[in-house]
Amino acid sequence: DVKVTQSSRYLVKRTGEKVFLECVQDMDHENMFWYRQDPGLGLRLIYFSYDVKMKEKGDIPEGYSVSREKKERFSLILESASTNQTSMYLCASSPTLGGNQPQHFGDGTRLSIL
Amino acid sequence: AQKITQTQPGMFVQEKEAVTLDCTYDTSDQSYGLFWYKQPSSGEMIFLIYQGSYDEQNATEGRYSLNFQKARKSANLVISASQLGDSAMYFCAMRGAYSSASKIIFGSGTRLSIRP
Repeated sequence: DVKVTQSSRYLVKRTGEKVFLECVQDMDHENMFWYRQDPGLGLRLIYFSYDVKMKEKGDIPEGYSVSREKKERFSLILESASTNQTSMYLCASSPTLGGNQPQHFGDGTRLSIL
Repeated sequence: AQKITQTQPGMFVQEKEAVTLDCTYDTSDQSYGLFWYKQPSSGEMIFLIYQGSYDEQNATEGRYSLNFQKARKSANLVISASQLGDSAMYFCAMRGAYSSASKIIFGSGTRLSIRP
């Protein structure tokens, strides 16, 4: 089974802090994704990566950056956390470009910015 | 632009009844794929079922089936004989033919509650 592991289930940080959310997958997938989930809005794509050191902006990249130095690890960085970044963050990976392969998700990180 | 619409924010269903969760989509792609995910209160996203736009038959996976009506651009999820463990958020999602790096867009979700 594919395993996508997010480093924290719950995280509390203060406004202005630099926050790192880590995600590791164990199935050698090329593609990795970061989403945020807010009530009534579904999942919105922040950034994604289709290869090591490659990244592309999703729909809501403002205030975030990402890093992919190794194939299995994809990090989301909040450069200067703000209260409107309080949300559920989900990491996902998938093995192919398109096709019928679903994305596999981690358990999510509930981030609160005080 | 691609879009997924789920018009039911919440639903209550009696245990053992069948339930249909609505999903409509908008795309100009000729080739695309549709997914349904389940998210229990614990937070993880569980893949349920997939339908390709060129698949001639509706997809089925155990108690889950997808009522795919291409001309109406709808892809409703049908859960037969609902169980208490089916209580969760359900998301419809779509991948276009030319989606970069397997991008998927999601609807806003439907919260399903099963009454005993």
